[in-house]
Amino acid sequence: IAGITQAPTSQILAAGRRMTLRCTQDMRHNAMYWYRQDLGLGLRLIHYSNTAGTTGKGEVPDGYSVSRANTDDFPLTLASAVPSQTSVYFCASSAEPDYNEQFFGPGTRLTVL
Amino acid sequence: GQNIDQPTEMTATEGAIVQINCTYQTSGFNGLFWYQQHAGEAPTFLSYNVLDGLEEKGRFSSFLSRSKGYSYLLLKELQMKDSASYLCAFMDSNYQLIWGAGTKLIIKP
Repeated sequence: IAGITQAPTSQILAAGRRMTLRCTQDMRHNAMYWYRQDLGLGLRLIHYSNTAGTTGKGEVPDGYSVSRANTDDFPLTLASAVPSQTSVYFCASSAEPDYNEQFFGPGTRLTVL
Repeated sequence: GQNIDQPTEMTATEGAIVQINCTYQTSGFNGLFWYQQHAGEAPTFLSYNVLDGLEEKGRFSSFLSRSKGYSYLLLKELQMKDSASYLCAFMDSNYQLIWGAGTKLIIKP
């Protein structure tokens, strides 16, 4: 592993189903983030974690949950997917919460039908 | 409130210079970022300004005026590979990034 990986690359999901997007980094970064990117809108923060064991809500947290059991992994769960959650999801990390660069994973393209 | 604005799309010619502007409003500010995003790919970091002035990095330069809530990204000697979206973002008082919608730059031969 080099940097940040995300899985799956893409997914088509029926509405109402539960889905977990995976994110793993090998840079030993303390801070991790989940964003969604929609056409015509900027990246919007869903949830973040400043360090292992802590999480916080971003701008658009409803319908999503996260956990941070260790430094490397930061999964994002959609408990019951809805079509408005169709988006491209990016995981990112930074050395510290106030560090001046975030590194992004390749993204997961999610379609909810 | 907080907001950030940048043009939706710009067109430039290979070999030329282009300036992409970004304006923002916020009560708490911890720096201004520029990222590049090629279609279908992840954003990658270009620059960070926290003090007023110009930061130069090869063909790319970034400028910040905190009093005016204004930044620009200057790209010189444009190459076809510079065709991408350029994302402006500021870090707020909670150290969270607030992102603009991005400027799609089209380079023509």
